Amino acid sequence: GDSVTQMEGPVTLSEEAFLTINCTYTATGYPSLFWYVQYPGEGLQLLLKATKADDKGSNKGFEATYRKETTSFHLEKGSVQVSDSAVYFCALSDLAGNTPLVFGKGTRLSVIA
Amino acid sequence: DTGVSQDPRHKITKRGQNVTFRCDPISEHNRLYWYRQTLGQGPEFLTYFQNEAQLEKSRLLSDRFSAERPKGSFSTLEIQRTEQGDSAMYLCASSGPGRGNSPLHFGNGTRLTVT
Repeated sequence: GDSVTQMEGPVTLSEEAFLTINCTYTATGYPSLFWYVQYPGEGLQLLLKATKADDKGSNKGFEATYRKETTSFHLEKGSVQVSDSAVYFCALSDLAGNTPLVFGKGTRLSVIA
Repeated sequence: DTGVSQDPRHKITKRGQNVTFRCDPISEHNRLYWYRQTLGQGPEFLTYFQNEAQLEKSRLLSDRFSAERPKGSFSTLEIQRTEQGDSAMYLCASSGPGRGNSPLHFGNGTRLTVT
């Protein structure tokens, strides 16, 4: 079945450092890809998404590009802030959204001042 | 938009007891999902509804689990004869209206502890 593999955490960075969280997927067909974020004490919320190859999703300074050739959707941010400390989940569903989201295990990010 | 609401936030129960959780989705959303999340893992899909119809159930949803969405609005998830392995965070999410890849809006979850 469809699956998502993301790098294990925790990841600890200093403020203003560059962030990469790797995500690769296995899916039949051409899925839509998502990054969700869970801040401490809050529910998961959508961070960004991409629905076709070479699409770039972006939000709040975060970016991820849908790479069909490498089946990847790595999350990047050029300069992290303490407020970015959270757990980040990569996820996929079929293009039409007719299958429920499949999530990776999550990567905890801690940013220190 | 008041968001997805889940009740209770926490539930502690003894093994063998039955528990029921409630989810109130965003009012105009027609799809409602239940997920389970254990420590260090991502959310795992349990079941989902489109309006009042339960369209898919995961293999994780044993016969001790049942979910309903009687009028296409709120939903309940019941676990009968709870086991320690049922301890987890139970997440509800909703999306819509209509079909397609609209984003999921998650509630803050119900944390179940089975002693």
